[in-house]
Amino acid sequence: DAGVIQSPRHEVTEMGQEVTLRCKPISGHDYLFWYRQTMMRGLELLIYFNNNVPIDDSGMPEDRFSAKMPNASFSTLKIQPSEPRDSAVYFCASSRTGGGTQYFGPGTRLTVT
Amino acid sequence: GDSVTQMEGPVTLSEEAFLTINCTYTATGYPSLFWYVQYPGEGLQLLLKATKADDKGSNKGFEATYRKETTSFHLEKGSVQVSDSAVYFCALTQASRKLTFGKGITLSVRP
Repeated sequence: DAGVIQSPRHEVTEMGQEVTLRCKPISGHDYLFWYRQTMMRGLELLIYFNNNVPIDDSGMPEDRFSAKMPNASFSTLKIQPSEPRDSAVYFCASSRTGGGTQYFGPGTRLTVT
Repeated sequence: GDSVTQMEGPVTLSEEAFLTINCTYTATGYPSLFWYVQYPGEGLQLLLKATKADDKGSNKGFEATYRKETTSFHLEKGSVQVSDSAVYFCALTQASRKLTFGKGITLSVRP
């Protein structure tokens, strides 16, 4: 299996621009998670989906962030407009069952200038 | 709510030294416990897990035992290698399906 795939691996953008991060989970996994990692705040869960339906988005920082999962093999995390404080590494993870082992993608390093 | 507390880091050890990384948790019910490892420039990967009290998870020479009486899941390795240099995260999950992570600790092993 190819594992969780994320794109792009690196993104540099200017403040105010829209940013879209993409994730392809492992085939057959029913759960998909988006995390953000920073030095200051560590690893934070932003949102997770079960069978393409958002279950808990309480970790989404504010309305500038949105996430979708149009089908079982694709999810996006969008930031509009982006701000310098959004600079972080964003990880996508998937799991076969709730509470099961989560498999992480390599992450997208976002820099907002 | 649920929480995970890890010892403060970073930790620097010489090769072949004994490693202990402390992890304690607060949770209602009976969580599953995990150790994840993050190598430089990579995503997290599962190192080991335990799903009930007194279970011992083990992998790559690392071990951790689920201690409900002390709400702990300390990570140990008898002889570390340079290749073990990474960030280690303790985590738990319950019926909510969410992983609750500790802050992580950086381990550096020098030759």
